[in-house]
Amino acid sequence: GEDVEQSLFLSVREGDSSVINCTYTDSSSTYLYWYKQEPGAGLQLLTYIFSNMDMKQDQRLTVLLNKKDKHLSLRIADTQTGDSAIYFCAEKTYDMRFGAGTRLTVKP
Amino acid sequence: DAEITQSPRHKITETGRQVTLACHQTWNHNNMFWYRQDLGHGLRLIHYSYGVQDTNKGEVSDGYSVSRSNTEDLPLTLESAASSQTSVYFCASSSGQGDHEQYFGPGTRLTVT
Repeated sequence: GEDVEQSLFLSVREGDSSVINCTYTDSSSTYLYWYKQEPGAGLQLLTYIFSNMDMKQDQRLTVLLNKKDKHLSLRIADTQTGDSAIYFCAEKTYDMRFGAGTRLTVKP
Repeated sequence: DAEITQSPRHKITETGRQVTLACHQTWNHNNMFWYRQDLGHGLRLIHYSYGVQDTNKGEVSDGYSVSRSNTEDLPLTLESAASSQTSVYFCASSSGQGDHEQYFGPGTRLTVT
């Protein structure tokens, strides 16, 4: 099947920017998503981008999409300890397909 | 407030037993989904439904079944539990209108011994 890949871990210092990267293989993806999962909880949608867009900004979050390279990134500005969580990239054609998740650790 | 709930939150069962995990949503959403989450695999789609009496197989449907007799509920049944089905199971729903946000339940941790 088509794959969505992410690095498994990222550690940053409080106040720094975090960049979480994702690659996908399905060129017919229509929407791409970032979800956040806090311990013991389900996933919450953070933001999404339509495949004909290059960038989307929402407060501290910036999503960049390079459709040619099938690369998606999520930048979190001024990262806080409350941002520590697992972040999932997902792409949708017919079904949603999720990456394995990146565990973001924010050190004070 | 509208919500999506799952029960039980934790379940331990033996190999070969039938197990049913409940999912209930009060948003009146047409679409409902079951995923399993395993380390290193993210979420994988098991079954999904786009409305009452509609069910479809996902990526990892073998050994699982669902039924949709009303809008609110999509129970997931493991016909004969296997150790490979030890996982965390998430139910989700969406409105079907553009479908961008799937609302996830809190998950059920299932252990098959």
